[in-house]
Amino acid sequence: AQKITQTQPGMFVQEKEAVTLDCTYDTSDPSYGLFWYKQPSSGEMIFLIYQGSYDQQNATEGRYSLNFQKARKSANLVISASQLGDSAMYFCAIERGSQGNLIFGKGTKLSVKP
Amino acid sequence: NAGVTQTPKFRVLKTGQSMTLLCAQDMNHEYMYWYRQDPGMGLRLIHYSVGEGTTAKGEVPDGYNVSRLKKQNFLLGLESAAPSQTSVYFCASNQPGSNQPQHFGDGTRLSIL
Repeated sequence: AQKITQTQPGMFVQEKEAVTLDCTYDTSDPSYGLFWYKQPSSGEMIFLIYQGSYDQQNATEGRYSLNFQKARKSANLVISASQLGDSAMYFCAIERGSQGNLIFGKGTKLSVKP
Repeated sequence: NAGVTQTPKFRVLKTGQSMTLLCAQDMNHEYMYWYRQDPGMGLRLIHYSVGEGTTAKGEVPDGYNVSRLKKQNFLLGLESAAPSQTSVYFCASNQPGSNQPQHFGDGTRLSIL
């Protein structure tokens, strides 16, 4: 069965610095997808970035990038040049099966300090 | 530019009451999902649908029923609400395909007294 582990319940980062949020996963599927979502205090879930298991390059979207290490089963999110608005919960998720179901980790609460 | 709309946003129920949460999407997505989010937890899948007229159980389906009579709507029902169902409920939708992100509604905060 698929599983996502986010080992950092909370993280602090100074504004304008980079931060890495950890995500490890467990799956027996040969092909899978990994997603990161942001949940601000207002509660909505915002899609950030996607990494496919067969993608040749690490995914990037603006200030977000994935440090994808398939052999280690890790897909860490890197946020560059942190902003105060980046303060939020961040969830890593893995796709289960072919019908798009997601298994979420418990999340990491990121706080950006001015 | 509505995306995924959930109704209601907040609701308080008494134990044993029933209610239906409505999810509507205007993106013509095939797939729709209902999740619940409890404190300190990520989202857990309750039920999902891969097309009009079809539904399937997710990770935590007990105590809930769903229907998808129209492609754009996905209803989540609680027949006899229990305090353990106090949670924030999220609806999501997407198109088939491995790289298609799910688009979420703003959530429904449900309290069962």
